[in-house]
Amino acid sequence: NAGVTQTPKFQVLKTGQSMTLQCAQDMNHEYMSWYRQDPGMGLRLIHYSVGAGITDQGEVPNGYNVSRSTTEDFPLRLLSAAPSQTSVYFCASSYSIAWANGYTFGSGTRLTVV
Amino acid sequence: QQQVKQSPQSLIVQKGGISIINCAYENTAFDYFPWYQQFPGKGPALLIAIRPDVSEKKEGRFTISFNKSAKQFSLHIMDSQPGDSATYFCAASSGNTGKLIFGQGTTLQVKP
Repeated sequence: NAGVTQTPKFQVLKTGQSMTLQCAQDMNHEYMSWYRQDPGMGLRLIHYSVGAGITDQGEVPNGYNVSRSTTEDFPLRLLSAAPSQTSVYFCASSYSIAWANGYTFGSGTRLTVV
Repeated sequence: QQQVKQSPQSLIVQKGGISIINCAYENTAFDYFPWYQQFPGKGPALLIAIRPDVSEKKEGRFTISFNKSAKQFSLHIMDSQPGDSATYFCAASSGNTGKLIFGQGTTLQVKP
């Protein structure tokens, strides 16, 4: 039981490049979310999904796209990377927001945009 | 605007002392208030959570106090231990929307 798997763990991009951060969970969770963590800003919600085929914007969605074609996978796409997107990105999943164990988080992807 | 405001940003407590972290929210539709704990290099993990129909919830050394009229809630860590040194986040959500909003985080250091 792997939980929430994020790849890659580290990435350096040049300004303007695009890339996809991968997130997969093997717990049959319906809810999945992407957060970015920046010093002093906490965890800010980028996009979230309540099931396959359903996604919605969070607090800071600009510059990011998501899709949810399967229950297991929830990739985050950076369309044209900017230095302001330098951050640690976390994917999380849960049966529901208020489920007993809450959200299970991945180990994060540290992204640097130069 | 920040929907969930957390303070202090950092906190230093002596071993055995009480750590108190506060959060305030604006959206009266919020009905679920969890606290998450994060160690360096790891993702956050659920610590304890409360719903607004109770004013307090205790699990071991960790207690959430909730004041619905003031739209505030706090985490109390009794008998704080060096192993409690971590970053703590409060959060809030409404209904079963799938949208969980976090506060800015508090870095706690417990000195031996």
